[in-house]
Amino acid sequence: DAGVIQSPRHEVTEMGQEVTLRCKPISGHDYLFWYRQTMMRGLELLIYFNNNVPIDDSGMPEDRFSAKMPNASFSTLKIQPSEPRDSAVYFCASRAGPSYEQYFGPGTRLTVT
Amino acid sequence: GEDVEQSLFLSVREGDSSVINCTYTDSSSTYLYWYKQEPGAGLQLLTYIFSNMDMKQDQRLTVLLNKKDKHLSLRIADTQTGDSAIYFCAEIRYNTDKLIFGTGTRLQVFP
Repeated sequence: DAGVIQSPRHEVTEMGQEVTLRCKPISGHDYLFWYRQTMMRGLELLIYFNNNVPIDDSGMPEDRFSAKMPNASFSTLKIQPSEPRDSAVYFCASRAGPSYEQYFGPGTRLTVT
Repeated sequence: GEDVEQSLFLSVREGDSSVINCTYTDSSSTYLYWYKQEPGAGLQLLTYIFSNMDMKQDQRLTVLLNKKDKHLSLRIADTQTGDSAIYFCAEIRYNTDKLIFGTGTRLQVFP
């Protein structure tokens, strides 16, 4: 298995632009998680899905952030408009419930200038 | 509370054992995890332990759980330079799906 796949690996954009991050979970996994990692705040859970349905989005910072999972093999995290404080590494992770082994993708490093 | 706490740094000599500690606050935690993050990479699941266990061993890794004190530790035997990374502990609480991560411990191994 290829593991969790994220794209792009690096994204540099200007403030105000729309950013879309993509994730392909491990085949057969029915849970998908989006995290953000910064030096100041560590690892934060933004949102997670079960069977493509958003379960908990309480970690999404504000309305500029949105996430979708149109099918079992694809999810997007969108930031519109982006701001410099959104600069971080964004991780996607997946898990096969009821297994408790959660696997992370390599992350997308986002820089907003 | 939400906090899972770890010391920030640990420095050990190659060949020695490393012990990374973690404390958590919620007694309803069901599973506790250790992840490793190398520079520029994602988090790699190292091992995990169910809350009704006291110890789990996997090759060079030994996990100890003290539920009374809400203390989790990861011992790495014969530490190598390739073990240099940030180590995160994490917990899943009863009836939730969310992993709560600690702040991470940066392990530096010197020759």
